[in-house]
Amino acid sequence: DVKVTQSSRYLVKRTGEKVFLECVQDMDHENMFWYRQDPGLGLRLIYFSYDVKMKEKGDIPEGYSVSREKKERFSLILESASTNQTSMYLCASSFEGVRTEAFFGQGTRLTVV
Amino acid sequence: GQNIDQPTEMTATEGAIVQINCTYQTSGFNGLFWYQQHAGEAPTFLSYNVLDGLEEKGRFSSFLSRSKGYSYLLLKELQMKDSASYLCAVGLTGANNLFFGTGTRLTVIP
Repeated sequence: DVKVTQSSRYLVKRTGEKVFLECVQDMDHENMFWYRQDPGLGLRLIYFSYDVKMKEKGDIPEGYSVSREKKERFSLILESASTNQTSMYLCASSFEGVRTEAFFGQGTRLTVV
Repeated sequence: GQNIDQPTEMTATEGAIVQINCTYQTSGFNGLFWYQQHAGEAPTFLSYNVLDGLEEKGRFSSFLSRSKGYSYLLLKELQMKDSASYLCAVGLTGANNLFFGTGTRLTVIP
């Protein structure tokens, strides 16, 4: 079974803190994605990566950065957390190409206070 | 720009059939996906359509009309465990990623 594992299920951070969300997949997928999910707004793409050290901005990259040093790991970084970044963060991975299904992690519920 | 419309909420009775519609306007199209997401859980893949027509997979079927920018997910013999959100997503050409709608929350009642 494909497994996408996110480091934390729940996280509470203070405004201004630097926050790291980690995601690891075990299926040798080329593509990895970070989404945030908010009520009424659905899943919105923050960043994605189609190869090691490669990254592309999604629809809402402001306030975020990413790192992909190894194929199986994709990190989302909140440089200076703000309350409007309180959300559910979902990591996903897939094989190369858009015609393949994406597998999602369980999500990290981040609260910024 | 990209836009996907689907109803916010639907309610249906156990054992019945329900159809969840999705219309899309996107700058490119490389297939339409349906995902199921139970509350507090990760989305899981249900179906993929890239050609016009109906794809059937057990109790679930998905239909696509590319000329109309329209898809639907059909759930038959509804069970209580089908209560979940159903997400419509379009594969974007050249962008190597998916654009999601806001999801339809389906409640199955006895």
